[in-house]
Amino acid sequence: DAMVIQNPRYQVTQFGKPVTLSCSQTLNHNVMYWYQQKSSQAPKLLFHYYDKDFNNEADTPDNFQSRRPNTSFCFLDIRSPGLGDTAMYLCATSRDMGGEFNEQFFGPGTRLTVL
Amino acid sequence: GNSVTQMEGPVTLSEEAFLTINCTYTATGYPSLFWYVQYPGEGLQLLLKATKADDKGSNKGFEATYRKETTSFHLEKGSVQVSDSAVYFCALSTHQLIWGAGTKLIIKP
Repeated sequence: DAMVIQNPRYQVTQFGKPVTLSCSQTLNHNVMYWYQQKSSQAPKLLFHYYDKDFNNEADTPDNFQSRRPNTSFCFLDIRSPGLGDTAMYLCATSRDMGGEFNEQFFGPGTRLTVL
Repeated sequence: GNSVTQMEGPVTLSEEAFLTINCTYTATGYPSLFWYVQYPGEGLQLLLKATKADDKGSNKGFEATYRKETTSFHLEKGSVQVSDSAVYFCALSTHQLIWGAGTKLIIKP
């Protein structure tokens, strides 16, 4: 089955220690997204890639970076995690953007805890 | 700007009760509308969608009708089960996906 996979499912890191979360997709979708979600609140978009074009949300901290080396993989790097970065991180994909093409397919999420 | 307003939760119902979760939106143009569901500890799943006025989306006994005249997309189910306990998000799509705040649903046996 075509899907979105995230690894690891759970990650514990220390304050200030860099961490990388990974996402892969078998849907061959053009767009990949990273969201941060706290306590069942609405997911907050951090950034997205349209193919190789990177789009950062204006309020995403500089501490958060992303890489998309190919169509299938996308990484979220947190350079110096703070306690406030404890959250669920969700990866999603969509075939395109705009209207019904924004139907997004989500991975199971990585629950990150910063100690 | 574009926005989505959902009824606040938690919503607590007994099994087999009728469910309505209200969702209204503000948007220019003709957005597509979605309902996503998030079960505990999981990612979001698309529950249903509608892409134009008067469309009805349906899935797993849930329904929602795209009402342009009232700018609404209310989620309904005739008889809820304990397994429907989850957080439900309404979202609209123009260029990007705009999310509602989510409504937590608790179904008691």
